[in-house]
Amino acid sequence: DGGITQSPKYLFRKEGQNVTLSCEQNLNHDAMYWYRQDPGQGLRLIYYSQIVNDFQKGDIAEGYSVSREKKESFPLTVTSAQKNPTAFYLCASSSRGSNQPQHFGDGTRLSIL
Amino acid sequence: GESVGLHLPTLSVQEGDNSIINCAYSNSASDYFIWYKQESGKGPQFIIDIRSNMDKRQGQRVTVLLNKTVKHLSLQIAATQPGDSAVYFCAENMGNYGQNFVFGPGTRLSVLP
Repeated sequence: DGGITQSPKYLFRKEGQNVTLSCEQNLNHDAMYWYRQDPGQGLRLIYYSQIVNDFQKGDIAEGYSVSREKKESFPLTVTSAQKNPTAFYLCASSSRGSNQPQHFGDGTRLSIL
Repeated sequence: GESVGLHLPTLSVQEGDNSIINCAYSNSASDYFIWYKQESGKGPQFIIDIRSNMDKRQGQRVTVLLNKTVKHLSLQIAATQPGDSAVYFCAENMGNYGQNFVFGPGTRLSVLP
């Protein structure tokens, strides 16, 4: 089945630690996105990538980093600079071009130890 | 389950009744809209989309209505079933490309037996 796989489902971070969230898709989509979801709020864009080896900051990129070395993979690192990392993180992908629906993975919940 | 929908508006309907979930969008220039369903602990699932050159689109048991005059979008679910219980949110594309989606916080639909 084609889809988006996020791992792990739950992740815990200690003070001063960087953690990396995995996102893999086999939909052959060019574009990939990372969102943060907090209770009672709409999704907020962290980073996006329209093509391999290129990515751009979204609305809340501070304290996060990404890479896009392969079309199917778009890992997100939550660095120690992100002071409020506790959230549900969602990865999405879409075909490139205008007005394409985004398809989501099942998320990673990050908590602070 | 995941607390992605705390403090959201809630709609409670009897099983078998029709549900109507509303969404006000912000940009009169937005030309593409999506409804997503999010179950507890999972990622958003695409339900139906509509472009601004349409005012109605139907899928299986769902209908989306778009009123551009008042910037309002609604999702109608016919013969609501227990499996429809979830958070539903709309997304508007404010600039053609994926990085320009704005997501609403959502409405929690509870189906009563």
